[in-house]
Amino acid sequence: QKEVEQDPGPLSVPEGAIVSLNCTYSNSAFQYFMWYRQYSRKGPELLMYTYSSGNKEDGRFTAQVDKSSKYISLFIRDSQPSDSATYLCAMSLIQGAQKLVFGQGTRLTINP
Amino acid sequence: KAGVTQTPRYLIKTRGQQVTLSCSPISGHRSVSWYQQTPGQGLQFLFEYFSETQRNKGNFPGRFSGRQFSNSRSEMNVSTLELGDSALYLCASSLGGTAARSGNTIYFGEGSWLTVV
Repeated sequence: QKEVEQDPGPLSVPEGAIVSLNCTYSNSAFQYFMWYRQYSRKGPELLMYTYSSGNKEDGRFTAQVDKSSKYISLFIRDSQPSDSATYLCAMSLIQGAQKLVFGQGTRLTINP
Repeated sequence: KAGVTQTPRYLIKTRGQQVTLSCSPISGHRSVSWYQQTPGQGLQFLFEYFSETQRNKGNFPGRFSGRQFSNSRSEMNVSTLELGDSALYLCASSLGGTAARSGNTIYFGEGSWLTVV
C-alpha cells in the first residue's frame, strides 16, 4: 500500500464546475501538506501549502486538511480550461523539508 | 528571477551506459533535491543536498548518486542504466536552512526526460 493514495482519474468536468480532488495517507506523522499543479511536459508548481488540520483559501482554490481522518482535499471553484493539468498532493514531516511524499496525481480536464 | 534550470532536457541512452544530469538552483537557494517521475510510480524522492552534503536519501539503488558543488549547483548520475530508469528526472530547490524556517517553498525545474533503449 502506498503511503499517499490519490485517485489518478482522469477527471473531466465542464467549465465553471466545482472540482474536488482528494488524497488519503497512512503516516500520521505528516504535518505539512501541499498541492502541486503540473502541466504537460512541465515541472510541478506549488499551488497551496497547509500546516496541520484546517482550511486555507487562495482565490478560487481551497485546501482542506483533516488529520483525524488522514484526508486532504483541494477544491477549485469556477473552474477554467486553463486549470486543465495534473494535480499532485504532497506531504512532509518537517516544514521546508525537501523530502516530499507525493500522491500519484489526478489528471483534470476542464471542458469549455 | 530565473527558475530552476535543468540540462539536458531530453536524452536517449543505451542500456548499460551511464548518464549525468545537471541542475542549477534558483539564485540564493542552498538546498537541492532530485526526484524521479514515472507513470507507474509517480514522483519519488531520490536525494537532497544542502551545503554540498547529502542530507536525505530515498529508496533507490546505489547506481543513483549525486553531488552538490560550492555554488549550490547539483548533478545526479545514474550508472549501468536499465530500461526501467526511463523517466522524467526533476530537480527542486529551496532556501533550505533550519526546518523551522517559514515560507520555505520548494521550486521544481522542468525536468530532464531520460529514455533508455
